[in-house]
Amino acid sequence: AQRVTQPEKLLSVFKGAPVELKCNYSYSGSPELFWYVQYSRQRLQLLLRHISRESIKGFTADLNKGETSFHLKKPFAQEEDSAMYYCALLQGGSEKLVFGKGMKLTVNP
Amino acid sequence: DTGVSQDPRHKITKRGQNVTFRCDPISEHNRLYWYRQTLGQGPEFLTYFQNEAQLEKSRLLSDRFSAERPKGSFSTLEIQRTEQGDSAMYLCASSSFIGTLYGYTFGSGTRLTVV
Repeated sequence: AQRVTQPEKLLSVFKGAPVELKCNYSYSGSPELFWYVQYSRQRLQLLLRHISRESIKGFTADLNKGETSFHLKKPFAQEEDSAMYYCALLQGGSEKLVFGKGMKLTVNP
Repeated sequence: DTGVSQDPRHKITKRGQNVTFRCDPISEHNRLYWYRQTLGQGPEFLTYFQNEAQLEKSRLLSDRFSAERPKGSFSTLEIQRTEQGDSAMYLCASSSFIGTLYGYTFGSGTRLTVV
């Protein structure tokens, strides 16, 4: 079965420090992966997609099929990055997104 | 507001009562999704509509749950004979014809508390 694992629930760093939010997946086909973010009192929103290979708000994520990972990285965290981050997998032939349990990032001043 | 609207924002109901939630997607989006999120978990897929057709349903959607999108615009999610385990945030999302691959737009959700 398809599964997304975010092994850490909480991450706290100081402003300017690098961050890496881990995501591992279990999927037999070719995965399509996403990172969604939820800032305090805001809606869940798309941060970035694997297929676009873009950098959004300084965040990047690289798909590593060998390690079945899609870790989210940012070299210099900002206070406004504090939020809940969810990794998600799109099942092939389906419109169903499978989400991880999420991780709370806190960036301290 | 041209985003996804959900109503009500909060609902408290007694066990055994029926509840209905409404979702108004972005007007040009033909795809609509319902997810459920409980504390400490990520959103879990419930069902998906393309226009008025319900194309996918999760096993989470028991017989007590029913969703409709009668004219391919707004959608309703009804839960009959609510149970305490139904307490959760119910999220609606929509996307264009391009689909999930290009990301959803989520609503703010309806928080259901069954007492």
